[in-house]
Amino acid sequence: EVQLLESGGGLAQPGGSLRLSCAASGFTFSSYGMSWVRQAPGKGLEWVSAISDSGDSTYYADSVKGRFTISRDNSKNTLYLHMNSLRAEDTAVYYCAKHFYDSRRRYSGGDYWGQGTLVTVSS
Amino acid sequence: DIQLTQSPSFLSASVGDRVTITCRASQGISSYLAWYQQKPGEAPKLLIYAASTLQSGVPSRFSGSGSGTEFTLTISSLQPEDFTTYYCQQLNSYPVTFGGGTKVEIK
Repeated sequence: EVQLLESGGGLAQPGGSLRLSCAASGFTFSSYGMSWVRQAPGKGLEWVSAISDSGDSTYYADSVKGRFTISRDNSKNTLYLHMNSLRAEDTAVYYCAKHFYDSRRRYSGGDYWGQGTLVTVSS
Repeated sequence: DIQLTQSPSFLSASVGDRVTITCRASQGISSYLAWYQQKPGEAPKLLIYAASTLQSGVPSRFSGSGSGTEFTLTISSLQPEDFTTYYCQQLNSYPVTFGGGTKVEIK
């Protein structure tokens, strides 16, 4: 059974840092790209960042570029999101999601998601 | 960046109704579009990928169509568990983007 378990959320001050983790199990972690997606309270989904299966390629939304860093440790089956220079508008539930591929190995969506971890940025 | 505009933002319907949600892309994305369902307090669930392919385990009352810039999600006969929020997502290029969402409410 595929499981994704996020941790590391909590209260941070503006300008502060947090590191989120996503522990994966039930699939070959090193064979799949992964993404972080967030959802501010009462708002819609916002894609944040993605990383390739090997970790060689990373991608970011403009809203977090230069402040957030995505990484992974395939030996530990764990995905990370390092968040620096946090702002009030970063307050959200952060989900990790496993990439789903079509028959041509084209990224086609997120087929498994964690339960989310809440990040609150406030003084 | 590619913008996705969903319409309507809110939709009132009754059990058994056929409903259609539209997602328009600011530029062509071929068929690289997914649809999700999200219930309150839960993570999103992948319903459709590649614009029209039903994800395994998803009821056949859900269907998707379109390519290029205009896409639709249709629920052929609304069931009580379908009254929730739906999002489209483009995967043509990074940054990946989501539509603003459509909330389906009971009339």
